[in-house]
Amino acid sequence: DGGITQSPKYLFRKEGQNVTLSCEQNLNHDAMYWYRQDPGQGLRLIYYSQIVNDFQKGDIAEGYSVSREKKESFPLTVTSAQKNPTAFYLCASSIGDSWYQETQYFGPGTRLLVL
Amino acid sequence: ELKVEQNPLFLSMQEGKNYTIYCNYSTTSDRLYWYRQDPGKSLESLFVLLSNGAVKQEGRLMASLDTKARLSTLHITAAVHDLSATYFCAVDIRAGGTSYGKLTFGQGTILTVHP
Repeated sequence: DGGITQSPKYLFRKEGQNVTLSCEQNLNHDAMYWYRQDPGQGLRLIYYSQIVNDFQKGDIAEGYSVSREKKESFPLTVTSAQKNPTAFYLCASSIGDSWYQETQYFGPGTRLLVL
Repeated sequence: ELKVEQNPLFLSMQEGKNYTIYCNYSTTSDRLYWYRQDPGKSLESLFVLLSNGAVKQEGRLMASLDTKARLSTLHITAAVHDLSATYFCAVDIRAGGTSYGKLTFGQGTILTVHP
């Protein structure tokens, strides 16, 4: 089955610690995205990548970093500079062709909590 | 800066009733998406609206887009309990046909359908 997987489902971070959230897709999509969702709010874009080895900052990139070394993978690192990391993190992917409908397909999410 | 506003933010409906959720956005766009999110879960794509006047229907849900008014509606017909969820609209910023793949989400409408 094609889809997007995220791991872990729950992640606990200690003060000053960097943590990495995994996102893998087997949909052969070019574009991948990371969103943050806070309770009772919509999604905010952290980073996105249209092709391998290239990525752009979204609206709330401070305190986060990403890499895109493989088409299938787009890991997100929450650094110690992110002072309020507690949130639900969603990874998404899309075909990436600007002339097609750009429906984004979402993974199951990772819930990050601070100890 | 693109702003996307949904109303109402909370909607409590009786089964069998009809209602409409509104999504207003602040800048030109001809691509709008509706998603559903169940509590603690990821987002599921409902509709993709690609042009002015677009109307799509699936079951008891119908979505429409008026790009001149910068307004999309999600109409619920004869609501049933299974429709209880949070509904998000999202707008794709486009320039000259090129998608940057950046979706801006509304705050979400929490729909509760009760007997």
